[in-house]
Amino acid sequence: QVQLQQSGPGLVKPSQTLSLTCAISGDSVSSNSAAWNWLRQSPSRGLEWLGRTYYRSMWYNDYALSVKSRITINPDTSKNQFSLQLNSVTPDDTAVYYCARHVVRSGWTTPFDYWGQGTLVTVSS
Amino acid sequence: DIVMTQSPDSLAVSLGERATINCKSSQSVFHSSHNKNFLGWFQQKPGQPPKLLIYWASTRESGVPDRFSGSGSGTDFTLTISSLQAEDVAVYYCQQYYTTPFTFGPGTKVDIK
Repeated sequence: QVQLQQSGPGLVKPSQTLSLTCAISGDSVSSNSAAWNWLRQSPSRGLEWLGRTYYRSMWYNDYALSVKSRITINPDTSKNQFSLQLNSVTPDDTAVYYCARHVVRSGWTTPFDYWGQGTLVTVSS
Repeated sequence: DIVMTQSPDSLAVSLGERATINCKSSQSVFHSSHNKNFLGWFQQKPGQPPKLLIYWASTRESGVPDRFSGSGSGTDFTLTISSLQAEDVAVYYCQQYYTTPFTFGPGTKVDIK
């Protein structure tokens, strides 16, 4: 059974960097069939996919255009986890952030089948 | 981006009655080479992450009760709860995974009448 455990601060000041980590058990961040995602949910934006990282002989990343200039998702193979960094945050980035897994194989994908517990991140001074 | 819309925004159904939620995508999510619709349905209860109910538009995830069913193809999809139970009170979302950015509908809130 795959489990995703999120950690990170719940309060970030405007213009600073939001950093969250998602620890994986029951699967590997280096899996050649899984992809590891970050999403967020807010009343104004609904459920929004932010980006993903995955390994297929080399590491790949995909990011949503809305955050592409500010986001980095990195795998950490030594700890079997992956992280989210979102730079230059504003109050509009206030949301519940989720990590999630989906399967990506041979040109097809699945929906998000395993999710972290969610982290409410508030951007405020 | 593929825009997902849902109707209604909310509905209230008596226990044991049928609930029907509609989802529409701004372009087809049917992948002809795989002969599948890349459309999923999620259930979300307060304070919890979304839970996958249905994938490929009509395949129930393991452990999901058979009162939940999905149908549709191309751009129009439906989630049906055949006999609403108290534990089904939640917000339901459709999601396309045909292409990035993966996108969700705005959600439909289901309550007991």
